[in-house]
Amino acid sequence: AQSVAQPEDQVNVAEGNPLTVKCTYSVSGNPYLFWYVQYPNRGLQFLLKYITGDNLVKGSYGFEAEFNKSQTSFHLKKPSALVSDSALYFCAVRVFNDYKLSFGAGTTVTVRA
Amino acid sequence: EPEVTQTPSHQVTQMGQEVILRCVPISNHLYFYWYRQILGQKVEFLVSFYNNEISEKSEIFDDQFSVERPDGSNFTLKIRSTKLEDSAMYFCASSGDRGLNLYGYTFGSGTRLTVV
Repeated sequence: AQSVAQPEDQVNVAEGNPLTVKCTYSVSGNPYLFWYVQYPNRGLQFLLKYITGDNLVKGSYGFEAEFNKSQTSFHLKKPSALVSDSALYFCAVRVFNDYKLSFGAGTTVTVRA
Repeated sequence: EPEVTQTPSHQVTQMGQEVILRCVPISNHLYFYWYRQILGQKVEFLVSFYNNEISEKSEIFDDQFSVERPDGSNFTLKIRSTKLEDSAMYFCASSGDRGLNLYGYTFGSGTRLTVV
């Protein structure tokens, strides 16, 4: 069975500081990893994904994530956080022969001015 | 950017009633999905649909649930006899392939279902 863990329920940072949201995964086989963001009363918006190739993936709104196979991690990062980055962030995983995404519990990010 | 549209945004229904949640996926997408998120919990997979049939379903998707693509554009989730524990945000999603293309899966804004 595939699963995702987001160890932090909340992350608080000051605007302009680096932002990291942690994600670890467990799968049988090669993982396909995704990050989504959810703003209040909105749907899940795609940020980035890792399928294969370069371990550092760049996505929307200045976010990036690094796939680390040995640590089974896919942490989301942004060098300089904005107040507008305050939202709920979800990490998700699937494997090749499976259509479904398995989501983590989500991390609420609050960026203070 | 193309969007997945879900209606209604909120629905309140009495326990035991049937509800139909509607979704309009992106027009050239071939794979369709329903997920749900009970308040405060993680997003859970319900069902995937391809080529006019269910390709995969979770243990949550029991006989009370059904999906349909009635007219080539809409994708619906029906709950035959709602229970209190069906109260959740229901998300529809679609993908052009198995979700491995440039944008992965595109999700709608969700329908918040409240069963009273």
